[in-house]
Amino acid sequence: GAVVSQHPSWVICKSGTSVKIECRSLDFQATTMFWYRQFPKQSLMLMATSNEGSKATYEQGVEKDKFLINHASLTLSTLTVTSAHPEDSSFYICSASFKFDTEAFFGQGTRLTVV
Amino acid sequence: GENVEQHPSTLSVQEGDSAVIKCTYSDSASNYFPWYKQELGKRPQLIIDIRSNVGEKKDQRIAVTLNKTAKHFSLHITETQPEDSAVYFCAAEGNFTTDSWGKLQFGAGTQVVVTP
Repeated sequence: GAVVSQHPSWVICKSGTSVKIECRSLDFQATTMFWYRQFPKQSLMLMATSNEGSKATYEQGVEKDKFLINHASLTLSTLTVTSAHPEDSSFYICSASFKFDTEAFFGQGTRLTVV
Repeated sequence: GENVEQHPSTLSVQEGDSAVIKCTYSDSASNYFPWYKQELGKRPQLIIDIRSNVGEKKDQRIAVTLNKTAKHFSLHITETQPEDSAVYFCAAEGNFTTDSWGKLQFGAGTQVVVTP
């Protein structure tokens, strides 16, 4: 299967700082990537759709100014958590697929802890 | 938008027995239904998927059934083994006619524990 790589795998940051998470499709081009958030013992919740060359589309209730998404190329999407607070601590996972209606390939996830 | 419900939330089975997890979805336009296995702290892994033009699919010990009329689909694991212990998620994706195209809506998850 295709490979999606996410970096970093874990990060600890201080309250009020910003953190950038990278999601790369290593062996295919992904015009669309998706960002999910998963709290402990909960399901994956879609945060936003990252579109190459255009603005991201956010799910209802997700603050676009807090979670900045940039899809600079066909293989890279970044999620920046701005002015992070302890309640932003979570597991963030990206995904991409060759085309819709087919298998989605997930990054390994990023464990964010805000202290 | 799509809403996916999953039951049960926890499932304990004896090694060798079968496990069944059920999901229902709300959007009749959804047409892709994958199942994922997730181990603690790791990424979800696709174990099987089914599309709306198929009623059943099997891969060794794993099978999925889909009833489009009733809008529910189920995961069946036979001859369970301790390494099957994990959290399992169902998901649904809308077709190209909807805003949900490409987006996976996940169920709440089922913690499966297989005891030797």
